[in-house]
Amino acid sequence: GIQVEQSPPDLILQEGANSTLRCNFSDSVNNLQWFHQNPWGQLINLFYIPSGTKQNGRLSATTVATERYSLLYISSSQTTDSGVYFCAVGFSGNTPLVFGKGTRLSVIA
Amino acid sequence: DAGVIQSPRHEVTEMGQEVTLRCKPISGHNSLFWYRQTMMRGLELLIYFNNNVPIDDSGMPEDRFSAKMPNASFSTLKIQPSEPRDSAVYFCASKWGGNSYEQYFGPGTRLTVT
Repeated sequence: GIQVEQSPPDLILQEGANSTLRCNFSDSVNNLQWFHQNPWGQLINLFYIPSGTKQNGRLSATTVATERYSLLYISSSQTTDSGVYFCAVGFSGNTPLVFGKGTRLSVIA
Repeated sequence: DAGVIQSPRHEVTEMGQEVTLRCKPISGHNSLFWYRQTMMRGLELLIYFNNNVPIDDSGMPEDRFSAKMPNASFSTLKIQPSEPRDSAVYFCASKWGGNSYEQYFGPGTRLTVT
């Protein structure tokens, strides 16, 4: 099956710093989503981005489908950004997502 | 929109008891997915439905697990009998049947089997 690898596994940032999270996947996909799992365990949709670039406030994401990777950028990090960031991919609209192991981010004040 | 609704949010039960988890997908969505999250295995699919029909249940761990979707507004995941290794967070997600493939997740049910 498809493999999804995320890096780095853990990241500690000082408040205000910028960071880049990476997601590599082993096969062509038609669905790619980034999620933030907050300390209460909820999975928050950040981006639906099978290709191209999107921005939402301090967060942006880029997926280069032909090279099978996606990047999540967090700028001016805040303590509320702490949590685990997951990348998940799927082959088509009605198939399930395959998740990476996540990047655990801790933002320190 | 209320989002995906799951109940209960927390469940603590004793080994051997029956557990039923419930999910109400977003109105108008026609695909529903059940995922499980554990420390050892991360997030993994258990089963998914399209238009209320089970499509792939290969992720269901064993016969103790069963899932139903009697209508477009409701799904259940049942574990009978429950075992301590079933302790996990169970997420339900739904997706619209149109051109967007984005899945939306419920808040999850944290199950503890003692």
